[in-house]
Amino acid sequence: RKEVEQDPGPFNVPEGATVAFNCTYSNSASQSFFWYRQDCRKEPKLLMSVYSSGNEDGRFTAQLNRASQYISLLIRDSKLSDSATYLCAVDGSARQLTFGSGTQLTVLP
Amino acid sequence: GAGVSQSPSNKVTEKGKDVELRCDPISGHTALYWYRQSLGQGLEFLIYFQGNSAPDKSGLPSDRFSAERTGGSVSTLTIQRTQQEDSAVYLCASSVGTSRYNEQFFGPGTRLTVL
Repeated sequence: RKEVEQDPGPFNVPEGATVAFNCTYSNSASQSFFWYRQDCRKEPKLLMSVYSSGNEDGRFTAQLNRASQYISLLIRDSKLSDSATYLCAVDGSARQLTFGSGTQLTVLP
Repeated sequence: GAGVSQSPSNKVTEKGKDVELRCDPISGHTALYWYRQSLGQGLEFLIYFQGNSAPDKSGLPSDRFSAERTGGSVSTLTIQRTQQEDSAVYLCASSVGTSRYNEQFFGPGTRLTVL
């Protein structure tokens, strides 16, 4: 089993839709969780850190479920510009992140 | 301020040749990471530098891979006797410290193609 797993998608949704991605992790000792966004042929950029209480930034909500060992990202009112690959990252040790393979999102007009 | 920079942006080489990839981290960032990303895949950790400490090389896939970080700043990733399976995008990231909560900032990557 991979240390961090994501549904690769693709998720094709219409503008204005709400879409959610899950990411499961295997290391129960993990403490840090992140969502990164990666545009085609570009580097990953941090979208959100995921805090234990869950956090929201505009249309984006991140949640952590320790009992089931997954994190989620919810995007409301999807925009065309949200089309990208979303990578989750979980710390596997004190110093390195383990990344999922990414979930591809396409928002359709 | 300037972000993480990497050079070259693209590198095409023949199987068996050595290549050097360069990373300039954000000024003041003490932690530097190298990752590799194959087509359609996630990021694979390669090596980590923190200040003057011995690097964490646990992710290097073989002894053909090595990396240096001179003066706590610029880093070079060297791949000797390249193989076709080494073709990937090599990403460098830096962060301000060692805390697991520190955000990693990525460079644009070097796209390596081994023919």
